[in-house]
Amino acid sequence: EDQVTQSPEALRLQEGESSSLNCSYTVSGLRGLFWYRQDPGKGPEFLFTLYSAGEEKEKERLKATLTKKESFLHITAPKPEDSATYLCAVQAMGNTPLVFGKGTRLSVIA
Amino acid sequence: DAGVIQSPRHEVTEMGQEVTLRCKPISGHDYLFWYRQTMMRGLELLIYFNNNVPIDDSGMPEDRFSAKMPNASFSTLKIQPSEPRDSAVYFCASSSSHRGPTEAFFGQGTRLTVV
Repeated sequence: EDQVTQSPEALRLQEGESSSLNCSYTVSGLRGLFWYRQDPGKGPEFLFTLYSAGEEKEKERLKATLTKKESFLHITAPKPEDSATYLCAVQAMGNTPLVFGKGTRLSVIA
Repeated sequence: DAGVIQSPRHEVTEMGQEVTLRCKPISGHDYLFWYRQTMMRGLELLIYFNNNVPIDDSGMPEDRFSAKMPNASFSTLKIQPSEPRDSAVYFCASSSSHRGPTEAFFGQGTRLTVV
């Protein structure tokens, strides 16, 4: 069974304090790993797709990396507007639906 | 495109009543997913369709839940009779299979409260 575990469950940072979120996964043949951002009262919003170990993607203060067992979402010099829940999901081979982790709730304090 | 559209945004109903949630996927997408989100269990897949055909409904919790997709632009999730433990946020998402692994695009969700 495909599984995704995210840690920590919640993270509180001061503005400018860089950190990383972890996503560990087990999947029967990875087709893609996805990162989403979810704001309160809204649906998840797509951020990145990673396809193979060693790949990296960047968007503003966020950088996602991928190994064969886990992915990291690095947040550099975060701002209060980066506060959200960050969800990780995996897709196995064969156009199967995304399997999501429970997310990391990030709070960035000014 | 306006994205995935769900209605209603909020629904409060009494236990035992029938509830119907609606979804319009992004035009041209051939996959449609229904997820349920709770604090305890996170985002769980209930059912998904490919080209309007249900592919896997193993996530549907009980026979009280049913979903249909009569055409490429509309899907419903029905709960009858509803129970308090069905209270959650229900999301519809759609995706396209035409370019390998692709992200699913989510609607804003329907917050269901059963009292």
